[in-house]
Amino acid sequence: DTEVTQTPKHLVMGMTNKKSLKCEQHMGHRAMYWYKQKAKKPPELMFVYSYEKLSINESVPSRFSPECPNSSLLNLHLHALQPEDSALYLCASSHPAVGGRKETQYFGPGTRLLVL
Amino acid sequence: AQRVTQPEKLLSVFKGAPVELKCNYSYSGSPELFWYVQYSRQRLQLLLRHISRESIKGFTADLNKGETSFHLKKPFAQEEDSAMYYCALSGRETSGSRLTFGEGTQLTVNP
Repeated sequence: DTEVTQTPKHLVMGMTNKKSLKCEQHMGHRAMYWYKQKAKKPPELMFVYSYEKLSINESVPSRFSPECPNSSLLNLHLHALQPEDSALYLCASSHPAVGGRKETQYFGPGTRLLVL
Repeated sequence: AQRVTQPEKLLSVFKGAPVELKCNYSYSGSPELFWYVQYSRQRLQLLLRHISRESIKGFTADLNKGETSFHLKKPFAQEEDSAMYYCALSGRETSGSRLTFGEGTQLTVNP
């Protein structure tokens, strides 16, 4: 399996809802990432997990809560989002950087989120 | 700080013409540079990375450290090359590769 999968493909939620995005990979990668991508813009890094531990949080608001329950899964829990949080949320995975080498990141298809 | 600049938001060429998508970067250390491509309604996928020095789908890119550039080139563009192209840099020494993307160039290859 050489793909990163994400569910759901689309999600519509109200500002008081709680929902979760899921990401899965079976490539043996031990680094996983969440990105946010607005229309016609590049992906912006949100979180990095390495060996199931959070290693980077790009000052993301606490209404976004990541979780890495095991080496294959990555979740993003959403609560009390704002309309401006509507975007495409991308998951990616890679081998961890070793000895300064930067490993290629493989991206999932994304979850398109609309907050009403 | 690491920064990637793609000066052209839109680029339009005719089929069979050469194409060059520009990318300049700013980073004080030793970066790794990538080109990612996003075809319409498809996922972001790796096209090239400078360390592998490969040619993929006829595209090549050479890292020029003197000019801090990593331009993407193809001698004869095809209609199926129409897509959004992102140049990206990974330079942080962390246990996970931190990618910084340029703003992207939307390439249109006309018949």
